[in-house]
Amino acid sequence: DGGITQSPKYLFRKEGQNVTLSCEQNLNHDAMYWYRQDPGQGLRLIYYSQIVNDFQKGDIAEGYSVSREKKESFPLTVTSAQKNPTAFYLCATMPHDRGLMNTEAFFGQGTRLTVV
Amino acid sequence: AQKVTQAQTEISVVEKEDVTLDCVYETRDTTYYLFWYKQPPSGELVFLIRRNSFDEQNEISGRYSWNFQKSTSSFNFTITASQVVDSAVYFCALILPGYQLIWGAGTKLIIKP
Repeated sequence: DGGITQSPKYLFRKEGQNVTLSCEQNLNHDAMYWYRQDPGQGLRLIYYSQIVNDFQKGDIAEGYSVSREKKESFPLTVTSAQKNPTAFYLCATMPHDRGLMNTEAFFGQGTRLTVV
Repeated sequence: AQKVTQAQTEISVVEKEDVTLDCVYETRDTTYYLFWYKQPPSGELVFLIRRNSFDEQNEISGRYSWNFQKSTSSFNFTITASQVVDSAVYFCALILPGYQLIWGAGTKLIIKP
């Protein structure tokens, strides 16, 4: 089935450890996004990538890193520099080949990260 | 400024009541698109509707309807005869040329039986 797979669904991290969240898509979409969502809050953009080997910082990139070596994959690393990483992380994709008028964002099921 | 405002943080109604979720946007662009997404408790966002800046026709889909008014920069969402399954967080979003996405803060809708 076509879609976006985020793994793991739940992740526990000890303070001071780096951790990588996976986002894989087989939709052949160009753009990929990482969002952070805190309880009762909206979506805040961490990083996004429009093409392979290129990505841009979003509003809250500090303490996070990404790579886009393949079109299908956009992993997010939460580093020890991120002081308050406990949150729900959502990966999204968006096709560009339909044109702006027919596009939409598609979302994975999210990863809930808890620092213990 | 490019911005989407959902002023209602949380709305609580009794089942079968009608409810309207407000969305007000700001943009300098003349071409843009507006979306509504639903986020159920499971967490994944589900696309509901897209509307472009040149089409002010209202849309109805079953119990859902959307009212787009450029004069007031609003794109409001109404659920008629609400059901418990409609309980979720609803997000309004704006997409601009360059595929820039601007999200509202979301409105948590609670439908009580």
